Amino acid sequence: DAGITQSPRHKVTETGTPVTLRCHQTENHRYMYWYRQDPGHGLRLIHYSYGVKDTDKGEVSDGYSVSRSKTEDFLLTLESATSSQTSVYFCAISAQSNSGNTIYFGEGSWLTVV
Amino acid sequence: GQQLNQSPQSMFIQEGEDVSMNCTSSSIFNTWLWYKQDPGEGPVLLIALYKAGELTSNGRLTAQFGITRKDSFLNISASIPSDVGIYFCAGRGNNDMRFGAGTRLTVKP
Repeated sequence: DAGITQSPRHKVTETGTPVTLRCHQTENHRYMYWYRQDPGHGLRLIHYSYGVKDTDKGEVSDGYSVSRSKTEDFLLTLESATSSQTSVYFCAISAQSNSGNTIYFGEGSWLTVV
Repeated sequence: GQQLNQSPQSMFIQEGEDVSMNCTSSSIFNTWLWYKQDPGEGPVLLIALYKAGELTSNGRLTAQFGITRKDSFLNISASIPSDVGIYFCAGRGNNDMRFGAGTRLTVKP
């Protein structure tokens, strides 16, 4: 357990509405990530953060924005949700050990845009 | 980015059988990670590999980091019904991380 909590776990929203997903971590990890998982595509990186107020785009960042005002929280926002953003969203953190870096995932947020 | 080549896509086995799956890439990685994902849950880390040639076990699971740093395999010995799920690999380079599409494992009692 890497101390990652995602909320909400499930949400149904209408096309054109804004949606914010929250990722909360309790272990002061510097790096946090947002992925989406879709059949046939696997996990794809949306945005990531390497510190407070430091974020960068991943491979599928269009239509998404992020913010990290505190170490423990990384927010993913869909400004105007579209049906193509129906997906499962996973937050992840990078944990450093003596051996190397390991990625741990949250439990996921299931988003349906109708 | 291009995802990893993971095979097989799915496996149907009898309880007690051994399972083997692998991932390959055209790129070199510094770390190989193997995860299991159950329906409605997030991926759970099974094994992490950090050195080329490294062979690591976690109970009935064994994984190896290929010598070329471009591949890895995961073996499950004496499968049990709770092994059912999707297993996927991840390779981490200097600047990116890529994922396999997953192997869906079904275990028949």
